This record gives sequence, structure tokens and C-alpha cells, in this order.
Amino acid sequence: GAVVSQHPSWVICKSGTSVKIECRSLDFQATTMFWYRQFPKQSLMLMATSNEGSKATYEQGVEKDKFLINHASLTLSTLTVTSAHPEDSSFYICSARDPRGSGYTFGSGTRLTVV
Amino acid sequence: QKEVEQDPGPLSVPEGAIVSLNCTYSNSAFQYFMWYRQYSRKGPELLMYTYSSGNKEDGRFTAQVDKSSKYISLFIRDSQPSDSATYLCAMSATGGYNKLIFGAGTRLAVHP
Repeated sequence: GAVVSQHPSWVICKSGTSVKIECRSLDFQATTMFWYRQFPKQSLMLMATSNEGSKATYEQGVEKDKFLINHASLTLSTLTVTSAHPEDSSFYICSARDPRGSGYTFGSGTRLTVV
Repeated sequence: QKEVEQDPGPLSVPEGAIVSLNCTYSNSAFQYFMWYRQYSRKGPELLMYTYSSGNKEDGRFTAQVDKSSKYISLFIRDSQPSDSATYLCAMSATGGYNKLIFGAGTRLAVHP
């Protein structure tokens, strides 16, 4: 089945720095990827839809300048958390739809801790 | 009212029990229905994927979709301790790359 690889799996950074998270589709091309945020014991909250070769579409309330998304190729989307603050600490997950029609596949997630 | 409603549980059952998980939704445009299993600190894993109404079975798992009632279910037979996880229902509208709408997730604990 479709495989989505996400790195890093966890990262600790200092407040004010930026962190980049990568999401790769390994065995298929993904023109669209999705980025989610998940707080402890809560469901996934869609942050933005990443489109290859064009600007991402952000959900209401998500700061575009803080969460920079780049989808430069058909197999790679990146999420950069800029000027991170402790309140940005969360679990970030990417996903892509398998074009072969078997649903949406998720990455393993990235746990970000900002200290 | 949320688009997708799911009882967060927790649900605790003995090993071998049949587990029933459910979601209701309000948007009649939803056509694609999924169930995901998520272990702590991991990404969701797709369990079942169905289109429109009907039943689908895969091993110990059975997914049911009743579009007339806007109700979907996931049944787990012969539950095992390894099934202990959070189960998320998700759905999307017709075709293309429409975003998934998730339920809150139900935490399941299967005890030996």
C-alpha cells in the first residue's frame, strides 16, 4: 500500500527558532498533501492543504506566516514552524491520498517541543 | 453541531469481546468513509475504506455505512489487547482531493 514517510519523528527546539518537518510519498506521486495538528487526547485538526507547484490553502485561524508550507515536488511537502513558541508544541502529522483509490495515508507524525 | 460526532469513550472490554464503534454525521455530501486506528504518539493507520452505503469486511473488522441514517459503524470481532488504541472515523465529500473530516476518536482498551 501507499507509504508516507515523515521526518523527524521528534524534535526539541528553542523558542524563537524555526523547525522544518518533511513529508514524502515513497511509492506514489502526491499532488496534494495535508498537514494536521493534534493535541493530546484530541482528534486531528486540519491546518492546511498543500498543493504541488502552488500556494497552500490554509484553514481558518491558521497563521500562514507562522506555518510555512512548501510542496516543491510530487513527492515532498515541508512544513516550517517559524519563530516557534512553547504554544506551538504539538504533534504534527501529514497525509496524502493514494491515487490508487484506497484512502488517505498518514505519516508517523512529528512531536515538536519548544522550550 | 459538529459535522461528525463520535463518542470519545473510553471504552473498556474484555479480550474476545465484540466491539462496536460508531459515528454520525450531518453532511449528506460525504461519500467516502474511513476508519483509522491510532496508537499513542503514532500517525493514524487506515483500517477500512468504504464508498457510499454498504458493508465491508476485512478479517476481524467490519465496516458498515448507512447513508440514509448518516451513521457509520466499525465492528471488531474477537478483540485482542493489541487492539487497544484510539479509533477515528473520517469522511470526505465526492471525489478529488477533498479534505477529511474526523470524528473525535474513541479510546478503546481491551483487557486480558
